[in-house]
Amino acid sequence: DAGVTQSPTHLIKTRGQQVTLRCSPKSGHDTVSWYQQALGQGPQFIFQYYEEEERQRGNFPDRFSGHQFPNYSSELNVNALLLGDSALYLCASSSPWTSGTYEQYFGPGTRLTVT
Amino acid sequence: KNEVEQSPQNLTAQEGEFITINCSYSVGISALHWLQQHPGGGIVSLFMLSSGKKKHGRLIATINIQEKHSSLHITASHPRDSAVYICAVWDYQLIWGAGTKLIIKP
Repeated sequence: DAGVTQSPTHLIKTRGQQVTLRCSPKSGHDTVSWYQQALGQGPQFIFQYYEEEERQRGNFPDRFSGHQFPNYSSELNVNALLLGDSALYLCASSSPWTSGTYEQYFGPGTRLTVT
Repeated sequence: KNEVEQSPQNLTAQEGEFITINCSYSVGISALHWLQQHPGGGIVSLFMLSSGKKKHGRLIATINIQEKHSSLHITASHPRDSAVYICAVWDYQLIWGAGTKLIIKP
């Protein structure tokens, strides 16, 4: 079992550009949550996808959008990048609604640097 | 007031000491997680609790649902235990505590 995988591991972008980050959940999990962790701070919840729909959303602007595919993998898209978007983006998978499993498995994260 | 509060924020101890990190929460939860984050970012889930006590190696986690309080204990601490330990509660999303930065000196 590969666990949760994320790609790419590191990314450097310029202000105003757009970026897409990818996450594959642990086998058997159907729910993907995305978190942003700025340097020295705790993770902040961005949104959660289940059954290809955004189920919950944190306090993030519409520049942050996502998608979930039929195979449960997910993408996080950020448009019009700002310097403040520089952070570690974490993906977590779980299966709370179908199996009642609240166990969270985290990917290694994608380190995004906006210059 | 934060929904999940941890204490202490920072903890430095000598190798071998018994470590306790505390977590209090104010929301109704389905489960509480203890997570470990090493420098470089990777987060590892240590425990998920909804009641009682769990033990894994030198790590012990307890939860008191009535008091809305959980503790993470490390016995015979070792420098490799140095990390940030985070308490997070699950209410269909993770609500995170601020973390406890633990440094174990040899």
